Amino acid sequence: SQQGEEDPQALSIQEGENATMNCSYKTSINNLQWYRQNSGRGLVHLILIRSNEREKHSGRLRVTLDTSKKSSSLLITASRAADTASYFCATDEAGYSTLTFGKGTMLLVSP
Amino acid sequence: GAGVSQSPSNKVTEKGKDVELRCDPISGHTALYWYRQRLGQGLEFLIYFQGNSAPDKSGLPSDRFSAERTGESVSTLTIQRTQQEDSAVYLCASSHRAASSYEQYFGPGTRLTVT
Repeated sequence: SQQGEEDPQALSIQEGENATMNCSYKTSINNLQWYRQNSGRGLVHLILIRSNEREKHSGRLRVTLDTSKKSSSLLITASRAADTASYFCATDEAGYSTLTFGKGTMLLVSP
Repeated sequence: GAGVSQSPSNKVTEKGKDVELRCDPISGHTALYWYRQRLGQGLEFLIYFQGNSAPDKSGLPSDRFSAERTGESVSTLTIQRTQQEDSAVYLCASSHRAASSYEQYFGPGTRLTVT
């Protein structure tokens, strides 16, 4: 069964706008990671947030984690056309070494 | 340094044939993962290897699927008697260790089409 579920499934914005994607999960976790995928090929790691962290920043990315609601959000500020991709959250079930990926949010940034 | 590489990049095969997909992980990475991604879907975990430990095969969908890895090097994923529902992109990833606190580095994937 799917551990992480992203919302929305698709998001279309203009360059310069902010994009927010959400991820909900079901079980207790140690970490949550966000990945980006271009053109249906390999994924690229963006950021990892631990269960004892509430917010983390990396460049134009801001990730929040609310373990009480079992949810996370990824905010991309001042979006660019190059940010067009699918974004996946990946969670671990506490005690497991594998990650479970959601179905992803497809982001389209128009010039 | 070199990233994770996979071959072939594309494979078209007839239903019922066997296929072998190859993954070369990043040197020094002890953990190696295989995933399947159907069109428009998320990643489906198949199997992972950690060093010389027994692999975690819990994600393999049927006994037609198998994978091998020699030590901490190359891995091959074999699908026997392919079916049309096996059509997907097969992604390989490696990481320093098999722990969820380490990021996974992905290869470009092999797009398998079963006709």
